Amino acid sequence: AQSVAQPEDQVNVAEGNPLTVKCTYSVSGNPYLFWYVQYPNRGLQFLLKYITGDNLVKGSYGFEAEFNKSQTSFHLKKPSALVSDSALYFCAVRPPYNQGGKLIFGQGTELSVKP
Amino acid sequence: DGGITQSPKYLFRKEGQNVTLSCEQNLNHDAMYWYRQDPGQGLRLIYYSQIVNDFQKGDIAEGYSVSREKKESFPLTVTSAQKNPTAFYLCASSMGKAGELFFGEGSRLTVL
Repeated sequence: AQSVAQPEDQVNVAEGNPLTVKCTYSVSGNPYLFWYVQYPNRGLQFLLKYITGDNLVKGSYGFEAEFNKSQTSFHLKKPSALVSDSALYFCAVRPPYNQGGKLIFGQGTELSVKP
Repeated sequence: DGGITQSPKYLFRKEGQNVTLSCEQNLNHDAMYWYRQDPGQGLRLIYYSQIVNDFQKGDIAEGYSVSREKKESFPLTVTSAQKNPTAFYLCASSMGKAGELFFGEGSRLTVL
């Protein structure tokens, strides 16, 4: 079955330190990969996506993600965390030849950045 | 400003009542989606539509219904057959195969 895993329910980071939110996927072929952020009681906001090309993708608010095909991973990173980065982060995948363009989401990782 | 508008933001329902959640977009996107969000379970797809007058069931369509009579609108009805309807509902739209999804602000339904 096609799936996305975010192995950490919560990630705690001190402000100014680098952060990583992990994502692995189980999809055959070459999927499209996405990261979203959600603040409490709000919709999801798009951060970045990988379609093809350079394995390091840069996105909004200083976030970037590294695609690793051999490890089927797409980890989200930021060199220096801010308290305002505290939110719920979702990794998502769109399988190739996917009907309707729907995304499969991971269960989410709660990021907490402390001053 | 272009975007997706969901209404109402909060909705309370008695058991046995049907309710309809509104979703309107002015992004000229072809595809629209409804997801359900429960704590710790991520987002699960209820229904999606690629074009007007056509829609497909997602992973958890039982107890829900939709229509797509206009490109801009994709309302979701939560019927009395849905056994556990209390959740946060998110509508989204996208353009093209590689396009990201744009989400509305969500509707929180509580069954009393």
